Amino acid sequence: GENVEQHPSTLSVQEGDSAVIKCTYSDSASNYFPWYKQELGKRPQLIIDIRSNVGEKKDQRIAVTLNKTAKHFSLHITETQPEDSAVYFCAASNTNAGKSTFGDGTTLTVKP
Amino acid sequence: EAEVAQSPRYKITEKSQAVAFWCDPISGHATLYWYRQILGQGPELLVQFQDESVVDDSQLPKDRFSAERLKGVDSTLKIQPAELGDSAMYLCASSLGQGPTDTQYFGPGTRLTVL
Repeated sequence: GENVEQHPSTLSVQEGDSAVIKCTYSDSASNYFPWYKQELGKRPQLIIDIRSNVGEKKDQRIAVTLNKTAKHFSLHITETQPEDSAVYFCAASNTNAGKSTFGDGTTLTVKP
Repeated sequence: EAEVAQSPRYKITEKSQAVAFWCDPISGHATLYWYRQILGQGPELLVQFQDESVVDDSQLPKDRFSAERLKGVDSTLKIQPAELGDSAMYLCASSLGQGPTDTQYFGPGTRLTVL
């Protein structure tokens, strides 16, 4: 089955700096990669996703890049703000198989 | 804005007891998921329903866990008997369609502690 590894497990940055979280996956058939943000005590929420037919997607201060050859994808947050502090999860899925496999999460702390 | 509802939010039980969790998905969402999230890890799919039918329960420990969605709306996840290792957050999610590209909306979760 699919295996997703996420790094780093914790990340601390200064407000205004950029943050990068990387995930690798094992199943070359995976073709959909969502990212979720889970604030303390709250439910996970989808923040951005990418399909395997594109290499990069941006939405304001967040972007995701995908390297299918290397089987890794990354979340980039620019101009970080304290409200970006949360646990971020990546996931990989094969739209034909239906199941999403999640990484173990990255705890991002943005210091004011 | 419609949200996925779960109850209870917290549950403390002793090992060997039975526990049940309830989930009410967003109205009209055909697909319902139950996940287990152990502290420090990502959610792990336990069971996926498409309407009232089970689509995937390959990771559900069927000797002690059961799930049902009888009318294709709300769902119940049961553990009997509970074990110490079952302590975790149990998340329910729903999506409009059945593919993984359909946005999953998560409920607030039920935090289970088994003593």
